[in-house]
Amino acid sequence: KQEVTQIPAALSVPEGENLVLNCSFTDSAIYNLQWFRQDPGKGLTSLLLIQSSQREQTSGRLNASLDKSSGRSTLYIAASQPGDSATYLCAVADRGTSYDKVIFGPGTSLSVIP
Amino acid sequence: DADVTQTPRNRITKTGKRIMLECSQTKGHDRMYWYRQDPGLGLRLIYYSFDVKDINKGEISDGYSVSRQAQAKFSLSLESAIPNQTALYFCATMDPLNTEAFFGQGTRLTVV
Repeated sequence: KQEVTQIPAALSVPEGENLVLNCSFTDSAIYNLQWFRQDPGKGLTSLLLIQSSQREQTSGRLNASLDKSSGRSTLYIAASQPGDSATYLCAVADRGTSYDKVIFGPGTSLSVIP
Repeated sequence: DADVTQTPRNRITKTGKRIMLECSQTKGHDRMYWYRQDPGLGLRLIYYSFDVKDINKGEISDGYSVSRQAQAKFSLSLESAIPNQTALYFCATMDPLNTEAFFGQGTRLTVV
């Protein structure tokens, strides 16, 4: 059964710092991995999608990497800003079962202090 | 307009009441999903549907039912709401070509 974990559960950094969020998954048979952002009580905003054949994706100050063999992904945020404060969720599109579904990690709550 | 729209956005209901959460999508994808989110537990799959005639239970389907009225519409019902169904509910659709998921803004349901 696919399981997704995220470390740390919460992170607080001063504005301007570069930071890394970690995501691990137990079964490497995935279609892709997606990073989402969730503001409190709000919906999910897709940040980056990495296909299983790719190693990384970049969007602005965000860079996500994928190492499928080790079951790991990182989300790197450069020059953090207070507006980056949110919960970040990673999710894998799992091909290990009889149907395609997206399995989520519990999230990392990020607080960027001005 | 949003790709995936959920209604209502917020709802408070009493224990034992029947309630329906609605979802519609404009992406044209066949695959649709309902998830619930609880603090510290992440999102868990309730039901999923691959087309109008294909509906399947997810990992936490007890107490819920769904209806796929059309390719674009997928509704979630709580037949007799109970307090532990208080959660944030998300509807999603998935692009079958690249398996990218698109989520609605969520419905915050409180059962008192």
